Amino acid sequence: DVKVTQSSRYLVKRTGEKVFLECVQDMDHENMFWYRQDPGLGLRLIYFSYDVKMKEKGDIPEGYSVSREKKERFSLILESASTNQTSMYLCASSLAEGGGSYGYTFGSGTRLTVV
Amino acid sequence: KQEVTQIPAALSVPEGENLVLNCSFTDSAIYNLQWFRQDPGKGLTSLLLIQSSQREQTSGRLNASLDKSSGRSTLYIAASQPGDSATYLCAVSWGYQKVTFGTGTKLQVIP
Repeated sequence: DVKVTQSSRYLVKRTGEKVFLECVQDMDHENMFWYRQDPGLGLRLIYFSYDVKMKEKGDIPEGYSVSREKKERFSLILESASTNQTSMYLCASSLAEGGGSYGYTFGSGTRLTVV
Repeated sequence: KQEVTQIPAALSVPEGENLVLNCSFTDSAIYNLQWFRQDPGKGLTSLLLIQSSQREQTSGRLNASLDKSSGRSTLYIAASQPGDSATYLCAVSWGYQKVTFGTGTKLQVIP
């Protein structure tokens, strides 16, 4: 089975800190995604990457950046954490465009609290 | 705008009941539709993926159907169990990087 691993389940950070969320997938997927999930708002796409060193903004990229130096790893960076970035962050990967024939595989999520 | 709606937002049923969860979408030109399960505080687990050319997919007690003309998919759960309690989300893909998630139906199966 495809596995998407997020390095932390829970994180507590202080306002203004630089925060790194890491995601690794083990099935050579081209596409990787970062979503945040908030009650009542559902999943919102922050950034995605369709190849190494390639990235595109999603619906809510403000305050975030990403890095993809290797195909299997996609990092989400909060340049200066703020309390409104407290959320559940979900990483996903997929084999082909639009989810392709295999759909999306998600990691177990990182619950980030900014205090 | 391509939208995905899941109604009801919450559902409570007694154990053993067969139930149907609904997912509606506004544009019938979909690429595929995927059903997920999410347990509290955890990530999404894929249940079923239906391609646009398919009418249904089955896995164990789960059956998902797709009717593009009416903009609707249903997830049928047979003989529900307390372990089925979770939030169920559908995700609709309209092509390259055009995926929209519903906000989910929170299911509680009462023993």
